[in-house]
Amino acid sequence: RKEVEQDPGPFNVPEGATVAFNCTYSNSASQSFFWYRQDCRKEPKLLMSVYSSGNEDGRFTAQLNRASQYISLLIRDSKLSDSATYLCVVWGGAGGFKTIFGAGTRLFVKA
Amino acid sequence: ETGVTQSPTHLIKTRGQQVTLRCSSQSGHNTVSWYQQALGQGPQFIFQYYREEENGRGNFPPRFSGLQFPNYSSELNVNALELDDSALYLCASSLQRPNVTQYFGPGTRLTVL
Repeated sequence: RKEVEQDPGPFNVPEGATVAFNCTYSNSASQSFFWYRQDCRKEPKLLMSVYSSGNEDGRFTAQLNRASQYISLLIRDSKLSDSATYLCVVWGGAGGFKTIFGAGTRLFVKA
Repeated sequence: ETGVTQSPTHLIKTRGQQVTLRCSSQSGHNTVSWYQQALGQGPQFIFQYYREEENGRGNFPPRFSGLQFPNYSSELNVNALELDDSALYLCASSLQRPNVTQYFGPGTRLTVL
């Protein structure tokens, strides 16, 4: 089993749609959680950290369920510029200072 | 821009050769992490350096080694290159604490023939 698993994608959605990304992690001792965005042939960039209480940044909402070891990202009112790969990231845990990325879910937003 | 730079941007090597990749971290950051990203995959953690010591390692063989210098810049060395080492190599700089943002450089694309 992979340490971090994401929906395989790709997701194809029209502009204005709401899209949800799911992610599960296997190490219950993991400490920090993030969503990164990666554009084609570019480096990953932090989209948002994920907290147990849930957090929102504009059109983006992230949730963490530690009991289920599950992380989600919701994008509302999708824009063409949201087209990218979304990477679920988990840090720390029994393995120490390790950052584990999921394989990513590709999103295509079309006009 | 993140302020993290990597060199070279592209590199072509043959099997069995050795390669050194370089990374300059963002000003004020004391931690550098290295990742390997194969096409269509997420970045895979190779190792992390904090204050010139390796303090975390992923599932990579010993032929992947690194260094961090007093100015916190870093090198990734790969010996005895294999075809499967062809990938984008990313470095990320950060501070050493939980829940911290990592800032990635643009990467070095390595092709092994």
